[in-house]
Amino acid sequence: QVQLVQSGAEVKKPGASVRVSCKASGYTFTVYYIHWVRQAPGQGPEWMGWINPNSGGTNYAQKFQGRVTITRDTSITTAYMELRTLTSDDTAMYYCARGASGSYYRTFEYWGQGTLVTVSS
Amino acid sequence: DIQMTQSPSSLSASVGDRVTITCRASQDITNSLAWYQHKPGKAPKLLLYAASRLESGFPSRFSGSGSGTEYTLTISSLQPEDFATYYCQQYYSTLLTFGGGTKVEIK
Repeated sequence: QVQLVQSGAEVKKPGASVRVSCKASGYTFTVYYIHWVRQAPGQGPEWMGWINPNSGGTNYAQKFQGRVTITRDTSITTAYMELRTLTSDDTAMYYCARGASGSYYRTFEYWGQGTLVTVSS
Repeated sequence: DIQMTQSPSSLSASVGDRVTITCRASQDITNSLAWYQHKPGKAPKLLLYAASRLESGFPSRFSGSGSGTEYTLTISSLQPEDFATYYCQQYYSTLLTFGGGTKVEIK
């Protein structure tokens, strides 16, 4: 079965960076896009970007351009999201999600369990 | 950016009730709409895509409809396991955006 297992909770100070990992299993990793979505307390989800695990190509929401990097390591079927220059506004649950197949690759068919990132001085 | 506006933001309903949630886009998204169910402490689940296609594993009491800028999610007979927050998401534009959510609570 498809599984996305994320790394554990993080506490960071303002100005620091965080890297969250997402280990995929149960399917061919290079076939499906991986997205990153975050949800701050009391708010709706917010899409951050995607990676094509086959090519390594990425697309980021303009809001995060220059501050986020999504990468992957196909040898261990893992995607990563690094967010830099953290502020308290980045406190949120961060999810990786696998895109659906074909033309629906920008819907989120499977989700990781979430990684809570807390930014606090 | 395409803004997605959901209404209501919350509702109280009883088991067996028919529930309708609306999602309005700030421009035509030509049925490029998905709905997700999110329960506390769990990952969201894809419920519907292409506005009306039900994801496998969900019962037929869930349905979606709409076109252009206005879409609805209907639960024909609310069951105890349906109490959750529901989000719409458009995938028409390069920037993917979500609605603010509708929390369905027990009356």
